[in-house]
Amino acid sequence: DQQVKQNSPSLSVQEGRISILNCDYTNSMFDYFLWYKKYPAEGPTFLISISSIKDKNEDGRFTVFLNKSAKHLSLHIVPSQPGDSAVYFCALRGGAQKLVFGQGTRLTINP
Amino acid sequence: DVKVTQSSRYLVKRTGEKVFLECVQDMDHENMFWYRQDPGLGLRLIYFSYDVKMKEKGDIPEGYSVSREKKERFSLILESASTNQTSMYLCASSFPLSYNEQFFGPGTRLTVL
Repeated sequence: DQQVKQNSPSLSVQEGRISILNCDYTNSMFDYFLWYKKYPAEGPTFLISISSIKDKNEDGRFTVFLNKSAKHLSLHIVPSQPGDSAVYFCALRGGAQKLVFGQGTRLTINP
Repeated sequence: DVKVTQSSRYLVKRTGEKVFLECVQDMDHENMFWYRQDPGLGLRLIYFSYDVKMKEKGDIPEGYSVSREKKERFSLILESASTNQTSMYLCASSFPLSYNEQFFGPGTRLTVL
């Protein structure tokens, strides 16, 4: 039973446009939400996070939105750049310092 | 610059072999984690450790064991490798009680024949 779902395995976006990646979860106990980015042959790297007491956090071109009532997390990238092409994982903290990861979405930015 | 290193980038083993995957971090982190990454399944936690000689089972511990004799080193052991353990293995570390960015190593691509 998957607690965290990224329903889109892949997403293709034109350079300069907005990329929106989504993540849904079922457990209300998650209290901290992170996005990681992974390039091929590298480990995931932390991108941006948000705590459950907020509904938005922004860092440059990256914004994370949290809708607790819908149990929905999203990452907006604007404007999208070719270097943003990677696999993106949402990761949710549910206690005991463990993270539960989504399945990942492969984002491709087309020139 | 923070660093998590893994002993091998690619490894090929035979069914039934005992396999050791090593992970070392230089950030003095208390927490260390082993994940496996499979297509369509994301990252799944195998084992983690909060301190030296401490270990906790993750979501998929079957067929694996771990060892943490020193703070900076966390080893994953496949007692008798099977083909369904062919995967990308990722090690990570973090500080405790912080809003927990985990730092990942580059991964070991293990193939069991």
